[in-house]
Amino acid sequence: DTAVSQTPKYLVTQMGNDKSIKCEQNLGHDTMYWYKQDSKKFLKIMFSYNNKELIINETVPNRFSPKSPDKAHLNLHINSLELGDSAVYFCASSQAGGANQPQHFGDGTRLSIL
Amino acid sequence: RKEVEQDPGPFNVPEGATVAFNCTYSNSASQSFFWYRQDCRKEPKLLMSVYSSGNEDGRFTAQLNRASQYISLLIRDSKLSDSATYLCVVNMDTGRRALTFGSGTRLQVQP
Repeated sequence: DTAVSQTPKYLVTQMGNDKSIKCEQNLGHDTMYWYKQDSKKFLKIMFSYNNKELIINETVPNRFSPKSPDKAHLNLHINSLELGDSAVYFCASSQAGGANQPQHFGDGTRLSIL
Repeated sequence: RKEVEQDPGPFNVPEGATVAFNCTYSNSASQSFFWYRQDCRKEPKLLMSVYSSGNEDGRFTAQLNRASQYISLLIRDSKLSDSATYLCVVNMDTGRRALTFGSGTRLQVQP
């Protein structure tokens, strides 16, 4: 019973392609996130949705577009992939309300751009 | 200055040793603090929250010093299975509910 699940786990594709990553959580959480972890292992927030509403949109190229069809799902679509997009993308979720809520992570999507 | 700063290590320690990591954060208004653990090629997992009065969970002790803006993690009686990267995590803005991650401290426990 995976709490936060992402698909695909690995994604190898060519520069210029468009791809999507899906995320689902069954924890009943209201808030979901996308993080990017680069080759230096630095984990950085990209987007956050609370109950389908976008609440965080960091300085991320417009080629990245999140979509949340319902509060249990947060997908990430990437257009015109570039070499610098190669990274591990983690989805996470947390309960809403209060700053002291830890986040639960999916096991990551390893994106490699050829 | 980085928002959350950690010594990247690696810390190489023998089994049974006690090891401590520190982490500093830049925003004095930060509200909540965590230590996460990340194994190689795995997702980050919550190790423990850090409370103002300090807290302990088995062999792990976390401390918070708001005046100096640092957090520490102490691991006693290190096990081989403790080998991982330990991420210091700070919630700097309660409104955004965004966590800011340090780049991690790598621990290698050796037999």
